[in-house]
Amino acid sequence: AQSVTQLGSHVSVSEGALVLLRCNYSSSVPPYLFWYVQYPNQGLQLLLKYTTGATLVKGINGFEAEFKKSETSFHLTKPSAHMSDAAEYFCAVSDLRGGGNKLTFGTGTQLKVEL
Amino acid sequence: EPEVTQTPSHQVTQMGQEVILRCVPISNHLYFYWYRQILGQKVEFLVSFYNNEISEKSEIFDDQFSVERPDGSNFTLKIRSTKLEDSAMYFCASQGASETQYFGPGTRLLVL
Repeated sequence: AQSVTQLGSHVSVSEGALVLLRCNYSSSVPPYLFWYVQYPNQGLQLLLKYTTGATLVKGINGFEAEFKKSETSFHLTKPSAHMSDAAEYFCAVSDLRGGGNKLTFGTGTQLKVEL
Repeated sequence: EPEVTQTPSHQVTQMGQEVILRCVPISNHLYFYWYRQILGQKVEFLVSFYNNEISEKSEIFDDQFSVERPDGSNFTLKIRSTKLEDSAMYFCASQGASETQYFGPGTRLLVL
């Protein structure tokens, strides 16, 4: 069974500061990894994903994440936080078995950006 | 840009009543999913659907739940007899040839 752990249910940063949201996964097969963002009262929007190839992936809104197999991690970063980044962020791993790729989500990290 | 839509955005129902949540996936997508998110908790997989049949379901998806793609465009989730603990945000997602799932805005279900 696959699982995702997101350390820190709440993260607070100052505007302009580095954003680091942590995600560790467990998987018995090579994983597909995703970060989704959820703004208040909205659905889940894909930020970025790792499937194969380059381990540093870039997404929308200046976010990027690096797949580190040795650490089973897929941490999300952004060099400079903006007020509009305040949202909840979910890391997810895909289970490729069963004919589709069911996503297993972490518990989410609420990002707060302060002036 | 194509998007997944869901109706209604909010639904309030009495315990024991049947509800149907509707989704219109992105055209030409092949895989369809339902997830739910109980308030304050993580998003949980309910069921996946491919080629007009369920391909996988979670332990949450018991006999009270069913899914259907009645007309080739809509994708519905039916809860036959709602319970208080079914109160949650329900998300529909669709996936095409790539591995990315696109989520709808959700239906917030409140069971009283």
